[in-house]
Amino acid sequence: SQKIEQNSEALNIQEGKTATLTCNYTNYSPAYLQWYRQDPGRGPVFLLLIRENEKEKRKERLKVTFDTTLKQSLFHITASQPADSATYLCALDSTGTASKLTFGTGTRLQVTL
Amino acid sequence: ETGVTQSPTHLIKTRGQQVTLRCSSQSGHNTVSWYQQALGQGPQFIFQYYREEENGRGNFPPRFSGLQFPNYSSELNVNALELDDSALYLCASSLGMGVSNEKLFFGSGTQLSVL
Repeated sequence: SQKIEQNSEALNIQEGKTATLTCNYTNYSPAYLQWYRQDPGRGPVFLLLIRENEKEKRKERLKVTFDTTLKQSLFHITASQPADSATYLCALDSTGTASKLTFGTGTRLQVTL
Repeated sequence: ETGVTQSPTHLIKTRGQQVTLRCSSQSGHNTVSWYQQALGQGPQFIFQYYREEENGRGNFPPRFSGLQFPNYSSELNVNALELDDSALYLCASSLGMGVSNEKLFFGSGTQLSVL
């Protein structure tokens, strides 16, 4: 069956360091992979989208990689700040039209001073 | 802010009751999707509506139903509530089918508690 795995344990890092979050998937051929941020009691907020034929995508302090051979995406936040503390969700889309996103369980990131 | 509003923000119901949740999409978006998010889990796709027609459904029973109106606002109805229906219900709007690089704009959700 299709499966998306994100590290369920919280990731604690110090301010200024680079946070790296992992998303692994099995039995899936996604056209796109998306990353969302979710704060407590709020809906997810879109961050980045990467296509299956792209290796890397950047936006300000964010970087996403997508390795369809390893079936893995890495999400990096450089120069982390306490305001980056949140849960980060990866989502796979096999149709290319976001008609049905399959989300991972999310990884909670805590950035401390 | 995403421009997607949901009501109510919180709701308490008892088992067996029926509930209607509402969503107002972002202006210009003709596609709405509903997701269920249990505590500690990622959102799970319930169904999607495009131009007032259901266009895709996840693994949810028929007691979960929806509507999309001409102004693209939407409702999620759940009949015969069960304890496991307790969750955050998220509405998400998007530009429309066939648009590449689709991304979803989520509302803040309705927290449903079934006692």
